[in-house]
Amino acid sequence: AQKVTQAQTEISVVEKEDVTLDCVYETRDTTYYLFWYKQPPSGELVFLIRRNSFDEQNEISGRYSWNFQKSTSSFNFTITASQVVDSAVYFCALSPNYGGSQGNLIFGKGTKLSVKP
Amino acid sequence: DAGVTQSPTHLIKTRGQHVTLRCSPISGHKSVSWYQQVLGQGPQFIFQYYEKEERGRGNFPDRFSARQFPNYSSELNVNALLLGDSALYLCASSLPGTGVTDTQYFGPGTRLTVL
Repeated sequence: AQKVTQAQTEISVVEKEDVTLDCVYETRDTTYYLFWYKQPPSGELVFLIRRNSFDEQNEISGRYSWNFQKSTSSFNFTITASQVVDSAVYFCALSPNYGGSQGNLIFGKGTKLSVKP
Repeated sequence: DAGVTQSPTHLIKTRGQHVTLRCSPISGHKSVSWYQQVLGQGPQFIFQYYEKEERGRGNFPDRFSARQFPNYSSELNVNALLLGDSALYLCASSLPGTGVTDTQYFGPGTRLTVL
């Protein structure tokens, strides 16, 4: 079975605090892809990052960073110096590599992040 | 460049009715996927279409159907609506590569309310 678990339902921080969103996944596939999406109140899912299972290098993009650890099946997301505009629901998702046919994104239940001024 | 567009934005129907939701992918994208997002949950995969053919189907009843047109736009149809079909329906488009999983870009969604 393939599954994504985001154990944190809601997180509330004060602006400028660092915050880490956890993501744990389950899959029997040796090749797969992991994603993070942001869903602001408007509802549209905004793509943040894609990582394949063979690339365990951490990635940093501005205030965002991602820590992929295959040994613990985790793909955690850290926001440094959070801002009010970061308030949203964040989803972690898993997709197997079906050789080009990749319609099935498996999402976690999401973590609602509230950043207070 | 325009992103994924969906219509209508909001829709109210009564039980037993039929509904059609529409999606236009990003220009150049040939694959469209549909997801259902119930309040408080993550999106659930319904269908994927590529080059007008169904390439994947999630665990949804036969009341749900979809198709893709020659211009790569897509429709999602739901028959005999139930109260439980109330949700945000998201469309995503991607440009399938060869042997890789391409990123799916989502539209703003259609909020369906069934009374």
